[in-house]
Amino acid sequence: DAKTTQPPSMDCAEGRAANLPCNHSTISGNEYVYWYRQIHSQGPQYIIHGLKNNETNEMASLIITEDRKSSTLILPHATLRDTAVYYCIVSSGGSNYKLTFGKGTLLTVNP
Amino acid sequence: GAGVSQTPSNKVTEKGKYVELRCDPISGHTALYWYRQSLGQGPEFLIYFQGTGAADDSGLPNDRFFAVRPEGSVSTLKIQRTERGDSAVYLCASSPSRSSTDTQYFGPGTRLTVL
Repeated sequence: DAKTTQPPSMDCAEGRAANLPCNHSTISGNEYVYWYRQIHSQGPQYIIHGLKNNETNEMASLIITEDRKSSTLILPHATLRDTAVYYCIVSSGGSNYKLTFGKGTLLTVNP
Repeated sequence: GAGVSQTPSNKVTEKGKYVELRCDPISGHTALYWYRQSLGQGPEFLIYFQGTGAADDSGLPNDRFFAVRPEGSVSTLKIQRTERGDSAVYLCASSPSRSSTDTQYFGPGTRLTVL
């Protein structure tokens, strides 16, 4: 599976959009981009995933560049409860069960 | 509905002892996963079950670690002769199947401390 690069930390003001970047320059054609987050002392929580097209659900939007080498997770109106470590994971269909977590981005939402 | 549950939530043991960690997946989920998370790191894959069988145990660090899922539901992770380096949060996840896009639903984890 392709590796990902994320900034170690980011800050965001409450109510503003949080844009979390992820680089995955070695992604291959059958690999999906997944985002999970982990709030302190809890297990990881699925947010969203995509292959080529941009995706949106009730939690977030996922923007994947046309060359698929990077993506951005957007939390449109961040709240204090969105403070968490956000993990960007690239996983192929064949071995997708092995989620390979890096260190992620610690997003701190400030009042 | 009920999510993935793990017991105990915390376990303190002494070096050399045997421990069992239990995972109750979401009802009806055929796939079950164990991960281990050390302080400051992301979770690391340990083992994956599809039904009752361990389809991939390549992440188990050594033969002191073993996991079972005898009836295709509850799973137990067993650690023999515990070492201080085994201290970590052990996470369990389940998903409906092994479809390429199935979401993994994680439990809250068991924090294991080996003194």
